Amino acid sequence: GAGVSQSPSNKVTEKGKDVELRCDPISGHTALYWYRQSLGQGLEFLIYFQGNSAPDKSGLPSDRFSAERTGGSVSTLTIQRTQQEDSAVYLCASGPQGLLTEAFFGQGTRLTVV
Amino acid sequence: SQQGEEDPQALSIQEGENATMNCSYKTSINNLQWYRQNSGRGLVHLILIRSNEREKHSGRLRVTLDTSKKSSSLLITASRAADTASYFCATVSLGNTGKLIFGQGTTLQVKP
Repeated sequence: GAGVSQSPSNKVTEKGKDVELRCDPISGHTALYWYRQSLGQGLEFLIYFQGNSAPDKSGLPSDRFSAERTGGSVSTLTIQRTQQEDSAVYLCASGPQGLLTEAFFGQGTRLTVV
Repeated sequence: SQQGEEDPQALSIQEGENATMNCSYKTSINNLQWYRQNSGRGLVHLILIRSNEREKHSGRLRVTLDTSKKSSSLLITASRAADTASYFCATVSLGNTGKLIFGQGTTLQVKP
């Protein structure tokens, strides 16, 4: 596709359930980022991929959060045993190698944990 | 922790006026970028300024960078109601070609 695609766009889940969020980056972009944004707040860095490897996982809030990227393309962010504080918009972005140019963002997945 | 801190947190102006937003950061950078966000969803890249540049223009946007003060400003001239959005600065630290860190953002309201 022409842009970064995220699915689902909205997700409501019950506390304690696991969720998977998907990101399809722009073709050819080797860098992929996950951010979390709570209502009215800035973007919280979660994890960064260069190809399939994640040189920086420092932003993952807890061991309930994990992410993988396969084939240097699609990435999945998994949240296990969701908590209400996980409710936020999860944004994915991709960029050319090295991120010395702009990042392209998807429209995000709004996660609500009830 | 966040790298950039925007100032002010909120700004309200009349259409036609200029809007200035400031960003301060903590570490040496490779580049600094400004993004706009409408309705709390995807961000749109506005402009990138490299550490060896001092000023860049794009249409009604003017960005300055002062590496000695570790600060940047975004000026929107002749603002329009459609400029109403949140604006974020983001930095790529020197020596770290991957990690893009965002500030908390400035919410701009342009009244018609």
